Amino acid sequence: GAVVSQHPSRVICKSGTSVKIECRSLDFQATTMFWYRQFPKQSLMLMATSNEGSKATYEQGVEKDKFLINHASLTLSTLTVTSAHPEDSSFYICSASNRELIVGNQPQHFGDGTRLSIL
Amino acid sequence: SQQGEEDPQALSIQEGENATMNCSYKTSINNLQWYRQNSGRGLVHLILIRSNEREKHSGRLRVTLDTSKKSSSLLITASRAADTASYFCATDASGAQKLVFGQGTRLTINP
Repeated sequence: GAVVSQHPSRVICKSGTSVKIECRSLDFQATTMFWYRQFPKQSLMLMATSNEGSKATYEQGVEKDKFLINHASLTLSTLTVTSAHPEDSSFYICSASNRELIVGNQPQHFGDGTRLSIL
Repeated sequence: SQQGEEDPQALSIQEGENATMNCSYKTSINNLQWYRQNSGRGLVHLILIRSNEREKHSGRLRVTLDTSKKSSSLLITASRAADTASYFCATDASGAQKLVFGQGTRLTINP
């Protein structure tokens, strides 16, 4: 159980395009979803935390107008990279959680990531 | 900011040997988690250890936590080629799951 699906797995697009990435919890209700960014051979950096029905909380240095996050339902969160440029190229990973999972031994479940390449 | 530091950054061993990776952190924590990442993929949760625990086992994995030294170690025994991956520790300071990841250890198991 607790499967998280992320789509698409790979996106290649032109500079100036807006790109939407979806993160779905397939078999549980995700009251909280997290979005991370990972540069090649580096660690994951938390970008933002979204709670269902609320505005996302962004980490310091992350532009909220650049990275739009929507968490309108208990099974879906989206990250839209607006007017993407080459420096936005990265590996984006989502994870999902809820109160039951948090008190357990596997609090977050991760998607498989989206590799975004901006030409 | 990243508070976790892992060493070594890269480790290459022969199949069957044990692999040990270390993680240090700077602030107090609620729990510490270890994850595995295969190249170009998402994270696979390995084990969670809470601040009041000192050691935890799961199959071939053994994790220790020393809160006085703010450090943790992950031991993989009897390594296999399939264990080749990057391994990350992540700390949760408040229990709210806002994770701070270490820089990771790239483990290569040679057949």
